Amino acid sequence: GQNIDQPTEMTATEGAIVQINCTYQTSGFNGLFWYQQHAGEAPTFLSYNVLDGLEEKGRFSSFLSRSKGYSYLLLKELQMKDSASYLCAVRDSNYQLIWGAGTKLIIKP
Amino acid sequence: DADVTQTPRNRITKTGKRIMLECSQTKGHDRMYWYRQDPGLGLRLIYYSFDVKDINKGEISDGYSVSRQAQAKFSLSLESAIPNQTALYFCATSDLHGGGANVLTFGAGSRLTVL
Repeated sequence: GQNIDQPTEMTATEGAIVQINCTYQTSGFNGLFWYQQHAGEAPTFLSYNVLDGLEEKGRFSSFLSRSKGYSYLLLKELQMKDSASYLCAVRDSNYQLIWGAGTKLIIKP
Repeated sequence: DADVTQTPRNRITKTGKRIMLECSQTKGHDRMYWYRQDPGLGLRLIYYSFDVKDINKGEISDGYSVSRQAQAKFSLSLESAIPNQTALYFCATSDLHGGGANVLTFGAGSRLTVL
């Protein structure tokens, strides 16, 4: 079966750096996505990786290793507004998105 | 106004009732989707549509039906609601011509409770 694993919850301190990991086992691979979802709100797109390596976008970076079935989202200079759930999703060989359950990130002052 | 609008935002109903959730979009996207989100689970695809004449079942279509009334409108129906359909429902759109990413734009969600 297809599976996306991410930690259920993480806690970090304002101003620090946090890395959220995502491992996947899917039927084929056509890209990996990270979305941010604040409580009670819609998911919003953060990043897309289809080739190995690091994609940087401001305070957020996303890394992909296809051979290891692994990605991480790196958040720098954490702010209180970064408290949210972070969803990892992989597009499989049929171009269907498989979603992880999300990682709830709690930022403490 | 929001790019993807869902109505109602909240609905409480009883077992056996028919419910319709509506979605409209102003993004001009061809592709529209209905997902449900349950605590501890990833988003699960119910139905999707790539244009007005195209309807496809997703991972969990049983107990649901959809209608694509126009490019901008995609509605989800529960013909006879049951308690395990209690969930947060999201409509989403994406652009066929958005390049490789095909990023989803989500509505604000419709919280449905079936008693």
